[in-house]
Amino acid sequence: QKEVEQDPGPLSVPEGAIVSLNCTYSNSAFQYFMWYRQYSRKGPELLMYTYSSGNKEDGRFTAQVDKSSKYISLFIRDSQPSDSATYLCAMKDYGQNFVFGPGTRLSVLP
Amino acid sequence: SQTIHQWPATLVQPVGSPLSLECTVEGTSNPNLYWYRQAAGRGLQLLFYSVGIGQISSEVPQNLSASRPQDRQFILSSKKLLLSDSGFYLCAWSVGGGQGVPIGGYTFGSGTRLTVV
Repeated sequence: QKEVEQDPGPLSVPEGAIVSLNCTYSNSAFQYFMWYRQYSRKGPELLMYTYSSGNKEDGRFTAQVDKSSKYISLFIRDSQPSDSATYLCAMKDYGQNFVFGPGTRLSVLP
Repeated sequence: SQTIHQWPATLVQPVGSPLSLECTVEGTSNPNLYWYRQAAGRGLQLLFYSVGIGQISSEVPQNLSASRPQDRQFILSSKKLLLSDSGFYLCAWSVGGGQGVPIGGYTFGSGTRLTVV
C-alpha cells in the first residue's frame, strides 16, 4: 500500500461547480497536511497548509482533515477555468518523512 | 522577497552525455534546498536535499549527484545520462531549520523538463 493515495483523474467539471479533491494516507504519524497546485510545465505552489483535524478556509478553497479516517480533502467553490491544474496533496510527520501524493488533474470547463 | 531560479526550462540530451542543472535562491540565507523528480502519475520523488554548503543527503541511489558550492546555489549533475533519467526536475527551498525537512511548505522553481534521447 502506498503511503499517500490520490485519484489521478482527470476530473472535468463545469465552471461554477464545487470540486472535491481527496487523499488517503496510511501513516498515522503524519501531522502536517498541505495542498499544492501545479499548472502545466510549472513547479507546484503551496495553496493550503494545516496542522490539525477540521476545516481551514481561504477564499474559495477549504481544506479538510480527518485524522481518524486518514483522509484529507480540498474543496473549491465556484470553480473557474483558471483553477484547471494538477492538485497535489502532501503530508509530513514530526521527523524526516515528507510525502507527496501523485496529484489529481482538474479541468474546469467554461 | 525570496525568489528561486531554475534553468534551463527544457533540455534534450543524448544518452551518455553529462548533465548540469542549476538552481539559485535569492532573498534568504541558509535555506534548505531540494531536488525532486516528477514522473507522470507517480508524484514527486525526493532526490537530494541540503541543509548547508557542502552538505548533501541522497534519498535515492541513482545515476545523479548534487552539489552545493554556495549557500544559495544547488546543482544537479550526471556524468552519463540514461534514458530513465528523463523527467521533470524541480528545485525547491524552505526555511533552514537544521533539518532536511521543511517546517512550512516548500517553494518550488519552475522546473526543467529533461528528455534523454
